[in-house]
Amino acid sequence: KAGVTQTPRYLIKTRGQQVTLSCSPISGHRSVSWYQQTPGQGLQFLFEYFSETQRNKGNFPGRFSGRQFSNSRSEMNVSTLELGDSALYLCASSARPTAGANVLTFGAGSRLTVL
Amino acid sequence: QQQVKQSPQSLIVQKGGISIINCAYENTAFDYFPWYQQFPGKGPALLIAIRPDVSEKKEGRFTISFNKSAKQFSLHIMDSQPGDSATYFCAARGSGGSNYKLTFGKGTLLTVNP
Repeated sequence: KAGVTQTPRYLIKTRGQQVTLSCSPISGHRSVSWYQQTPGQGLQFLFEYFSETQRNKGNFPGRFSGRQFSNSRSEMNVSTLELGDSALYLCASSARPTAGANVLTFGAGSRLTVL
Repeated sequence: QQQVKQSPQSLIVQKGGISIINCAYENTAFDYFPWYQQFPGKGPALLIAIRPDVSEKKEGRFTISFNKSAKQFSLHIMDSQPGDSATYFCAARGSGGSNYKLTFGKGTLLTVNP
């Protein structure tokens, strides 16, 4: 069974640009969550999608957005990139929304560097 | 606002020793407490988890101790092995409404020396 696939694995952008990250969940999983991981702040929740609907959102500015498609694949977008957006962006999938799911399976992440 | 505080930041243990990582939480509405293990270049993977109605859970060499009144929980790794060297995160899941998300501690880098 394939795991959670995130693309691209590494990318470098400059300030002011925008970026789109992709996540393909485990087959059959309909819930996708996104987390930002930095050395200083650890893992911070960005948002969660289930059946194409955003169910929950963390405390991030509106520059961070996401969506989920009918096949459960998800994308997140960061516009007007800032240096502080440099981080590992992790996607996690579960069969059900976090409210009912006891297991989140994480992908390996997309490492974004903003110069 | 950090709701889950994890300590220590880093830990060095000799092979065969016991590794202990502690977490404390503030929100009494948390209803599920997992621990995740992360190796370099990989995403976190669920290691073991506990619910607040249980005081201890053991899976192999890994044990979670949970103290509801003190709002603390800890991970014990018995007979620590070099292969256990990784970053460990405790987490807590909120319950109700917009709180259904995992809040993570900042992580503990465990090094087990051979």
